[in-house]
Amino acid sequence: QSALTQSPSASGSPGQSVTISCTGTSSDVGAYNYVSWYQQHPGKAPKLMIYDVSKRPSGVPDRFSGSKSGNTASLTVSGLQAEDEADYYCTSYAGSNTLGVFGGGTKLTVL
Amino acid sequence: QVQLVESGGGVVQSGRSLRLSCAASGFTFTNHGFQWVRQAPGKGLEWVAAISYDGSKQHYADSVKGRFTISRDVPKSTLYLQMNSLRAEDTAVYYCARDASFYSCDHWGQGTLVTVSS
Repeated sequence: QSALTQSPSASGSPGQSVTISCTGTSSDVGAYNYVSWYQQHPGKAPKLMIYDVSKRPSGVPDRFSGSKSGNTASLTVSGLQAEDEADYYCTSYAGSNTLGVFGGGTKLTVL
Repeated sequence: QVQLVESGGGVVQSGRSLRLSCAASGFTFTNHGFQWVRQAPGKGLEWVAAISYDGSKQHYADSVKGRFTISRDVPKSTLYLQMNSLRAEDTAVYYCARDASFYSCDHWGQGTLVTVSS
């Protein structure tokens, strides 16, 4: 499985919105509504922020939202806060006979 | 509360073996699949291996297939990763994670560092 494609970096000022995209193929992102997004601060374990394309786990602020169109999924962070500065990784289910696939990660900088 | 605690990491010579453990608590172990995910220094996340909730299916990254084995001990609520024929490129922090559904991992361990020296 090939990695999903994410832009290496994104940035925004406090209070602004930023969208991170994740492009896959018709075998993963395009085939299933099982895209997840993880946030990772330096030296910490990843944290699940979005699952099943647009669902938020309990405790994740509603400033975080997810969507998908075709082979591309997106994570939008609204009302940027300093603590949102982190690496963000997308991942997608790719079928019952293989592992999932990660994106390369996007470093979000809050200016 | 849900806890995943990894152990077994360390420094090992190339070609040798190492077994990682992940002790789970605070939930019903057999209700969930589990993953091992690794992160090489300064790099992104990589799925390494997965085991289904009933232990009947295992999947591996091509990079570790034939060298690594994922398994579990239900009475001990413990997940394992047996790593054989280790290579320098296996150097990474290894995380165990609980699969909520379809690679949505809602709980992660703290990670354990594996360093393979040549």
